[in-house]
Amino acid sequence: DTAVSQTPKYLVTQMGNDKSIKCEQNLGHDTMYWYKQDSKKFLKIMFSYNNKELIINETVPNRFSPKSPDKAHLNLHINSLELGDSAVYFCASSQGGRASQPQHFGDGTRLSIL
Amino acid sequence: GESVGLHLPTLSVQEGDNSIINCAYSNSASDYFIWYKQESGKGPQFIIDIRSNMDKRQGQRVTVLLNKTVKHLSLQIAATQPGDSAVYFCAENPLNGNKLVFGAGTILRVKS
Repeated sequence: DTAVSQTPKYLVTQMGNDKSIKCEQNLGHDTMYWYKQDSKKFLKIMFSYNNKELIINETVPNRFSPKSPDKAHLNLHINSLELGDSAVYFCASSQGGRASQPQHFGDGTRLSIL
Repeated sequence: GESVGLHLPTLSVQEGDNSIINCAYSNSASDYFIWYKQESGKGPQFIIDIRSNMDKRQGQRVTVLLNKTVKHLSLQIAATQPGDSAVYFCAENPLNGNKLVFGAGTILRVKS
């Protein structure tokens, strides 16, 4: 009965590769987010989609491309991975495009670039 | 544990004592605030939220206080338990916008 689920949980890959992370929520929410958490635990928003429309794009390199096939899914594709991309990536969801309702987070995807 | 090497503020409390975690927020126009708990290897878990038209809100064993005059938010945990050990984050929604801005986090360690 996991509310927000991400796959994979761990991703270890070489610099220069392309990889995808998938996220699904079964809460019936209309808004989904991707966050990046660095080694100092700092959480920063990357993207947000409301009803499959992009509403936040926080100056993320265009190597990162989110895709929302429907309201329950938000995937993140990363091209030409770099060492600095190593982090934990969290997906979240909430109801309503304005961030005035609790966001529910998945358990993260730990990305390690070799 | 995962907190080793992290240079976040740390609060150490004895099991059974009350804990107070503080947060200073940046935007006086923020109208929504929220506290999250993050355990090792997990995602942030919602604890409690408060809107700017309130100054106090209580949940089960937790209370959030909002002081808009000094832009300060606090989370009080009553009768702290070992399971409360985690990193705690406050977040604000500036200007009724469409994103949350997170604070740096505070490590809570509960000693048995």
